[in-house]
Amino acid sequence: DQQVKQNSPSLSVQEGRISILNCDYTNSMFDYFLWYKKYPAEGPTFLISISSIKDKNEDGRFTVFLNKSAKHLSLHIVPSQPGDSAVYFCAAEYNNNDMRFGAGTRLTVKP
Amino acid sequence: ETGVTQSPTHLIKTRGQQVTLRCSSQSGHNTVSWYQQALGQGPQFIFQYYREEENGRGNFPPRFSGLQFPNYSSELNVNALELDDSALYLCASSLSTANYGYTFGSGTRLTVV
Repeated sequence: DQQVKQNSPSLSVQEGRISILNCDYTNSMFDYFLWYKKYPAEGPTFLISISSIKDKNEDGRFTVFLNKSAKHLSLHIVPSQPGDSAVYFCAAEYNNNDMRFGAGTRLTVKP
Repeated sequence: ETGVTQSPTHLIKTRGQQVTLRCSSQSGHNTVSWYQQALGQGPQFIFQYYREEENGRGNFPPRFSGLQFPNYSSELNVNALELDDSALYLCASSLSTANYGYTFGSGTRLTVV
């Protein structure tokens, strides 16, 4: 049962442009959403999160938007940099211990 | 501060065998979670330990078991290995049960042949 879905396995953008990574979920019980970034041979690194009571959270170049009615969230990276090239995982959790991940989107930022 | 360290980094086991994977939490972290990441998929939650007690479990059979020690390091044990158990196993620790503070290790790549 795939409760968190990232339908785009890959995304390629030009340096300096905006990267938009999308994520959909099905379980309305999720109360916290997170984005993780993963480089090869490393574990995922926490990037940014948002509570279900908010619709936007911003941290530097990274902004996460949550649309609860559509059960959709997105991560915006602007401006994109080559060092942002990695696999990005969307995750959702409830009850503080069961975090569900999407399959990931591989972002490539071209110089 | 040291991060989360996992051992071994790679492991090959035969179907039916048992395996123990180890995780040292980041200093000061009392919560540890284990995840299984199959190729091309996102990590799947196995279970979480908080102060040496199991604090939640995902959809994995009982042959997946764990331990957390007083120093908050942890083990994941898998009995009667199956070919489908081949995956990257990730350990993540945090200061509390809130997931936004999780620090992941680099994982153990288990191959079952």
